[in-house]
Amino acid sequence: GAGVSQSPSNKVTEKGKDVELRCDPISGHTALYWYRQSLGQGLEFLIYFQGNSAPDKSGLPSDRFSAERTGGSVSTLTIQRTQQEDSAVYLCANRDALTDTQYFGPGTRLTVL
Amino acid sequence: AQSVAQPEDQVNVAEGNPLTVKCTYSVSGNPYLFWYVQYPNRGLQFLLKYITGDNLVKGSYGFEAEFNKSQTSFHLKKPSALVSDSALYFCAVRDPALYNFNKFYFGSGTKLNVKP
Repeated sequence: GAGVSQSPSNKVTEKGKDVELRCDPISGHTALYWYRQSLGQGLEFLIYFQGNSAPDKSGLPSDRFSAERTGGSVSTLTIQRTQQEDSAVYLCANRDALTDTQYFGPGTRLTVL
Repeated sequence: AQSVAQPEDQVNVAEGNPLTVKCTYSVSGNPYLFWYVQYPNRGLQFLLKYITGDNLVKGSYGFEAEFNKSQTSFHLKKPSALVSDSALYFCAVRDPALYNFNKFYFGSGTKLNVKP
């Protein structure tokens, strides 16, 4: 079946510009995570959505980062006024509540020049 | 604070030899532990998990991991490595605290190189 998809796969932007990253989750998996993977680093938790509950935003690194999930499905991660240190791969994951397994998308590679 | 450590940035092993990728964790309470693999230009894939029960957990592609509570470790193993196992491996722990149960903490990753 269809997995988690993310778009764009690559994004190059100039410092100071805003970017929007999209995640299309697996239908029926209500838990959705955003992570950031920097070169040589592990995955850094950013934000978590579960159904209609308030999202856990505790991992967002600054107020330039925000995310929303419309209708419990598609999610967008927005980074305002991008900085070079925002360059990383941004990963979206769905968690299957029955198996506690996370299914990851292929990621969006963001490069801030 | 909850954390996961993968002490080796890279592991090199010859094809056919056994492999071990190390992981240690630090959590308050009983851990939920996971291994994921990331092949080049692909997303992370689930390999196996430990929640409770038998300390030896078997997963995908012939991998297994052993939970050792006294050593707070969850090392990934395979009896005979394949060149196709070459990838980046991540250990992860889920925070068992109820107030933080949705958080997963990932290690920094270990690159496994299997040479023919």
